[in-house]
Amino acid sequence: DQQVKQNSPSLSVQEGRISILNCDYTNSMFDYFLWYKKYPAEGPTFLISISSIKDKNEDGRFTVFLNKSAKHLSLHIVPSQPGDSAVYFCAAKGRGGGSQGNLIFGKGTKLSVKP
Amino acid sequence: EAQVTQNPRYLITVTGKKLTVTCSQNMNHEYMSWYRQDPGLGLRQIYYSMNVEVTDKGDVPEGYKVSRKEKRNFPLILESPSPNQTSLYFCASSWSLNEKLFFGSGTQLSVL
Repeated sequence: DQQVKQNSPSLSVQEGRISILNCDYTNSMFDYFLWYKKYPAEGPTFLISISSIKDKNEDGRFTVFLNKSAKHLSLHIVPSQPGDSAVYFCAAKGRGGGSQGNLIFGKGTKLSVKP
Repeated sequence: EAQVTQNPRYLITVTGKKLTVTCSQNMNHEYMSWYRQDPGLGLRQIYYSMNVEVTDKGDVPEGYKVSRKEKRNFPLILESPSPNQTSLYFCASSWSLNEKLFFGSGTQLSVL
């Protein structure tokens, strides 16, 4: 039972254009969402996050939108750059301690930004 | 430099030969966790630890053991590795369960 879904395994975008990566979740107890970026031969690194009390969070070229009613979030990268080519993981966590508070990751979306 | 260090980066072994993948963090983080990454399956949690001597199972704990005797170290132990444990493993840590995770560079394990 996949609680965090990234339905697009890959995405190809032209440099300078917008990249939109999507993520859906099923658990209504999730209240904090994060995006991680992973380059080959490296560990994932934190990119941006959003709390369920917000519907948008922006950091430079990266913006995350949260639609709680649709249980959907998206990561927008504008403008896209070749250095953004990486695998992006969506992750979510619920309230409380123990296993409920652990991060649940999606399967990832491989973004390719072409010059 | 703040970091999570895993060793080794690459490991090839044979079925049944016990191995340990080490993980150390220098940020005084309380929370540590192990993940495995497999094609088409993303990152799945193996074990986690909320603090010293406090460990618990994640989503895919079968075939693995962990220990947390010191705050900085969280080794992953495969007592009798099998080919289905061939994977890319990541150790991660954070200040607490509610903080963002810092990941190590990964250990590529192949079990023949």
